[in-house]
Amino acid sequence: DSGVTQTPKHLITATGQRVTLRCSPRSGDLSVYWYQQSLDQGLQFLIQYYNGEERAKGNILERFSAQQFPDLHSELNLSSLELGDSALYFCASSVFGRNSGNTIYFGEGSWLTVV
Amino acid sequence: AQSVTQPDIHITVSEGASLELRCNYSYGATPYLFWYVQSPGQGLQLLLKYFSGDTLVQGIKGFEAEFKRSQSSFNLRKPSVHWSDAAEYFCAVRSNFGNEKLTFGTGTRLTIIP
Repeated sequence: DSGVTQTPKHLITATGQRVTLRCSPRSGDLSVYWYQQSLDQGLQFLIQYYNGEERAKGNILERFSAQQFPDLHSELNLSSLELGDSALYFCASSVFGRNSGNTIYFGEGSWLTVV
Repeated sequence: AQSVTQPDIHITVSEGASLELRCNYSYGATPYLFWYVQSPGQGLQLLLKYFSGDTLVQGIKGFEAEFKRSQSSFNLRKPSVHWSDAAEYFCAVRSNFGNEKLTFGTGTRLTIIP
């Protein structure tokens, strides 16, 4: 158990819909990351938050957005869903937001199936 | 931009045999390097990491990896595999300044045969 909690574990929704994935980081971790894992794209970095502020952005679609709340949990919002958005979405966390050699710990992921 | 190459998509080894999974990275300076393992239906578990110092790093579950700067490699090894090692293995690189994102390789799927 990494200490990173993600909900829901599985989600099936229809095209065009909107979903929210939730992540609770490890206790004490200020930084949260979101990754997408799909068969064709592999593991792709989406976005990082540090202590409530966006710190880095990767291959995140405009239909997707994220935020980190004062209690440090994070949500990833996916809207106007398409079949190709079906993937495993990982949340990860680490202690610091700047380079200090800290390890990034991953949750078990949220499986999203768009039908 | 940093990148990682795992040249072997799928490897099959016999239980008890030794294992080496290859990883090559591209990065301008000394990177932070990681190996993660993903069992079927599970999340990513950190096996080991290299930040600096001793180029041979020990991890969990009997795994080790060696950082070779001259070859831009960070290969994962285990002297004797167990059936429970069957999983997908990902090598990842992270910058040691600026952006903190992990860049992953495409993974190597390990199958263990009795």
